[in-house]
Amino acid sequence: AQKITQTQPGMFVQEKEAVTLDCTYDTSDPSYGLFWYKQPSSGEMIFLIYQGSYDQQNATEGRYSLNFQKARKSANLVISASQLGDSAMYFCAPPDSGYSTLTFGKGTMLLVSP
Amino acid sequence: DAGVTQSPTHLIKTRGQHVTLRCSPISGHKSVSWYQQVLGQGPQFIFQYYEKEERGRGNFPDRFSARQFPNYSSELNVNALLLGDSALYLCASSPYSGFNEQFFGPGTRLTVL
Repeated sequence: AQKITQTQPGMFVQEKEAVTLDCTYDTSDPSYGLFWYKQPSSGEMIFLIYQGSYDQQNATEGRYSLNFQKARKSANLVISASQLGDSAMYFCAPPDSGYSTLTFGKGTMLLVSP
Repeated sequence: DAGVTQSPTHLIKTRGQHVTLRCSPISGHKSVSWYQQVLGQGPQFIFQYYEKEERGRGNFPDRFSARQFPNYSSELNVNALLLGDSALYLCASSPYSGFNEQFFGPGTRLTVL
């Protein structure tokens, strides 16, 4: 079974600042990639960004980017220019190679203040 | 296009009862997965169905069962409810089985009293 570690239970950032959310994972599968999802208080999981393990460059998607360090098995999410609407839970989730599903970490709660 | 829909939105049951949760995937998506998310934790995988066949099962007791219909919608059934079954139940769909983005519905919040 994969082990996902998100060491920051909560993070606080001011509007317009950048923030980095940490994620490390333990897998023996060389083809692993990793998804990041956002979960606002409404409960719905929203896809943010995906990093494939064989991608040559770090993934970027608008204000979201990944700091992917394959050897360390870490894929930290960087949110630039935080907005109030970014306040939510953030989960990293590598796919499970056996079942094509996702294994989620415990998440990090991000609070953006004005 | 409509996203993943789930019904009901909220549900309150008592211990020992049975519950059925429903999910309609995005049109054209053939894979449906179910997750349980208890308060303070990340979602935990329960089942995956693809083309009406069970493709994966998480570490949940036999009280949990599911099925997928010819139109790719799905039901999750839980028998003999326990207090610990109180959680947000999320359904996710994807176009096919394999490593790809999963699209989540809004969830069904189940409270067991």
